[in-house]
Amino acid sequence: DGGITQSPKYLFRKEGQNVTLSCEQNLNHDAMYWYRQDPGQGLRLIYYSQIVNDFQKGDIAEGYSVSREKKESFPLTVTSAQKNPTAFYLCASSIHIGGGGNQPQHFGDGTRLSIL
Amino acid sequence: QQQVKQSPQSLIVQKGGISIINCAYENTAFDYFPWYQQFPGKGPALLIAIRPDVSEKKEGRFTISFNKSAKQFSLHIMDSQPGDSATYFCAASWTSGSRLTFGEGTQLTVNP
Repeated sequence: DGGITQSPKYLFRKEGQNVTLSCEQNLNHDAMYWYRQDPGQGLRLIYYSQIVNDFQKGDIAEGYSVSREKKESFPLTVTSAQKNPTAFYLCASSIHIGGGGNQPQHFGDGTRLSIL
Repeated sequence: QQQVKQSPQSLIVQKGGISIINCAYENTAFDYFPWYQQFPGKGPALLIAIRPDVSEKKEGRFTISFNKSAKQFSLHIMDSQPGDSATYFCAASWTSGSRLTFGEGTQLTVNP
């Protein structure tokens, strides 16, 4: 089945620790995205990547880092600099047609990160 | 200019009733307006989407109404069912980019 797999489903972080959230897609999509979801605030874009080895900051990139070494993978690292990391993190992907957008984004089932 | 405002924050409807969720945007460059449905513990799933060249789009019980001059669009769920109980997000993007700007979400409860 084609889709987006996020792991783990639940993750706990200790103070001062970096943690990495995994996102893998087998949809052959060019573009991938990371969102943070907090109650009452909708989805906020952290980082996105339209092509391998390239990515751009979203609206709330501080305290996060990403890499895009493979088309199917877009891991997100929540660093110790992110002082309020407790949230539901969602990864998405879409077909990216060069210079254009408006393609549906397909989402994984998220990772819930909590502070110990 | 990047914001999308969504209301109400929560909505309770009786089975068989009409659910209406509204969104307003500021950026006139937006030209793609999707709605997503999210169940607890799951990622959002695309429900229906509209472009500003039409004023209404219907798919089954779900209809998007779009008012370009008012910069508003809304989702209507006809004959609402308990299985429609979920969080609904409106969003917007523009042709030259692939980023979506999401509204704050509406938690819909349909009572049996």
